[in-house]
Order: sequence, then C-alpha cells, then structure tokens
Amino acid sequence: NAGVTQTPKFQVLKTGQSMTLQCAQDMNHNSMYWYRQDPGMGLRLIYYSASEGTTDKGEVPNGYNVSRLNKREFSLRLESAAPSQTSVYFCASTGDATMNTEAFFGQGTRLTVV
Amino acid sequence: LAKTTQPISMDSYEGQEVNITCSHNNIATNDYITWYQQFPSQGPRFIIQGYKTKVTNEVASLFIPADRKSSTLSLPRVSLSDTAVYYCLVVINTNAGKSTFGDGTTLTVKP
Repeated sequence: NAGVTQTPKFQVLKTGQSMTLQCAQDMNHNSMYWYRQDPGMGLRLIYYSASEGTTDKGEVPNGYNVSRLNKREFSLRLESAAPSQTSVYFCASTGDATMNTEAFFGQGTRLTVV
Repeated sequence: LAKTTQPISMDSYEGQEVNITCSHNNIATNDYITWYQQFPSQGPRFIIQGYKTKVTNEVASLFIPADRKSSTLSLPRVSLSDTAVYYCLVVINTNAGKSTFGDGTTLTVKP
C-alpha cells in the first residue's frame, strides 16, 4: 500500500518556467490537499479538493493552479515559476473534507527556482 | 482562522516524559485538536486527535482542559528517535481549508 505518492521528488526550475507536480493516493480518499513548507516554518495550504470535481483556494494560492484529475490524482501547476516559490511541496489526503480524520502525507517535492 | 501557539523548541533526555503545550484561544465549538510529527525530509505523520478531556493511543496522550483553549501532547519515555518537529493543528470541522499548521515545536532528545 503506497499511500500518497508525489512526483518528482526534486526539481530545479529557471524563473519563468512552468511545471506540474503530480500526486496520487491509493486509499480511496475523497479529499486531497497541497501544502508548501518553507525552511524552518510550518505547512501552509495552497489549494484543496474536498471531493472529485471540486477545488478551493487555501491560504496561499497565488501563482498556482490545481486539477483534480480523478479521485486518485490531484496535480499542482506553476505556470511561471518565481524564486519565491522555492519550497518543499507536500500533498495530503483525508477520507473526508474536514481533516477531522487522519491526514496522510506524501514524501514531498523539493523545488528550487533559480 | 484558529491560530495556534507552541514553544519553538524543547530539549529532553532519553526516558523522560515530554509535555508540549499548544494554545488555541479562538477554537470553535466543533473544532478538533490534532497533533502531527515530522522528521526531516519527510511529510508529517498523524499522532493523535481529540475534542475534550483525555485521549490516549499507543504512542501519546492528549490532554484538553474544559475550556479547550489549550492542549498538551504527552510523550512517555522518549527516545532519540522521537527527535522531530511536532505540530498542533486545530481542525476546522466544517471547512478543511481553514485548518492551519503553526510553526511547530522542535523536540530534541539527548542521550
């Protein structure tokens, strides 16, 4: 049981380049989330998807877009990367939309924008 | 947003009990308190969740007073492998997008 899988694990982008971070879960969870974590800080919610077909902004959505491709997959896209987006990105999933259950996190994608 | 406040860091020694307190003064009636553990280069891992009084599982206990404005995570007999960052999270029962992580408490366990 893989849980939550993120790809890639590491990425270096030049300013202005675009890329998509992929996330897939195999737990049949309804809700999925994207967080970013800057050095020495906590996680900040970028976007979340309460259920297949819905997405909502979190605390720091600017510069990002998301797609809930199906129940398993939730992708995060940077259209024009900026150095301020250098961070570690975590995907998570929960059974329902309240996070009132255990959240399972992926191993993270470490992104550097130069 | 239900903001949380935790100590930035704590030190302990192997075999001791560690208590980490989190303040959440504006917690709402239907909100839950959840704790996560994070090791370097890994995603957070769920430890325990509670609503009121005391909750215990195989790894920790969570104490929540009657006013619910704070909570205490208790780790019994810590070992070196418990060195990690611990996050207190107020789970907004009606809107996952409003549940926010604070900056966490870095626990260092020494031999």
